[in-house]
Amino acid sequence: AQSVTQLDSHVSVSEGTPVLLRCNYSSSYSPSLFWYVQHPNKGLQLLLKYTSAATLVKGINGFEAEFKKSETSFHLTKPSAHMSDAAEYFCVVSEDYGGSQGNLIFGKGTKLSVKP
Amino acid sequence: EPEVTQTPSHQVTQMGQEVILRCVPISNHLYFYWYRQILGQKVEFLVSFYNNEISEKSEIFDDQFSVERPDGSNFTLKIRSTKLEDSAMYFCASTPNYGYTFGSGTRLTVV
Repeated sequence: AQSVTQLDSHVSVSEGTPVLLRCNYSSSYSPSLFWYVQHPNKGLQLLLKYTSAATLVKGINGFEAEFKKSETSFHLTKPSAHMSDAAEYFCVVSEDYGGSQGNLIFGKGTKLSVKP
Repeated sequence: EPEVTQTPSHQVTQMGQEVILRCVPISNHLYFYWYRQILGQKVEFLVSFYNNEISEKSEIFDDQFSVERPDGSNFTLKIRSTKLEDSAMYFCASTPNYGYTFGSGTRLTVV
């Protein structure tokens, strides 16, 4: 069965410094991997997705993630944090079949705080 | 950009009452989902719906839950007799085949 582990429940960075949110996954098949962001009282917004193409995936707002099969990791990074990046981030895996997307398995989330 | 719309954004109900959470998926999407997030916990899959029937459901989705697509545009989640532990954020999502779009969620508070 597939699962996702987000290694940090809370990460705090200063504005302008790099962001690293860590995620490890477990999957029986070739997974699709996603990062979603949730701002307070808002819905889930897709940041980026990996679907077996390029292992370095670029997303919105300057975020990117690298799929490393040997390490079963899909860490999210951003070179320079902005105050507006403060939110909760979810690493998500789905196992796709027959060309259709499977159900999503969410990690517990990492709350990112950005200090001025 | 097309959106998934959920109403209401926040609902408070008394224990034992029935609630209906409403969603309007994106019009050309074929697959519909409900997920929920209990405060402080993971987002969990509840049910998926395709071709006017449930295609998959989790163990959470017991007999007190039901889903409907009554008029070809709305997609509803009914909880028959709410319990305190049903308090959560409920997210609706839809997809044409690949690529979920989530709604903003309905925060359900059972008192």
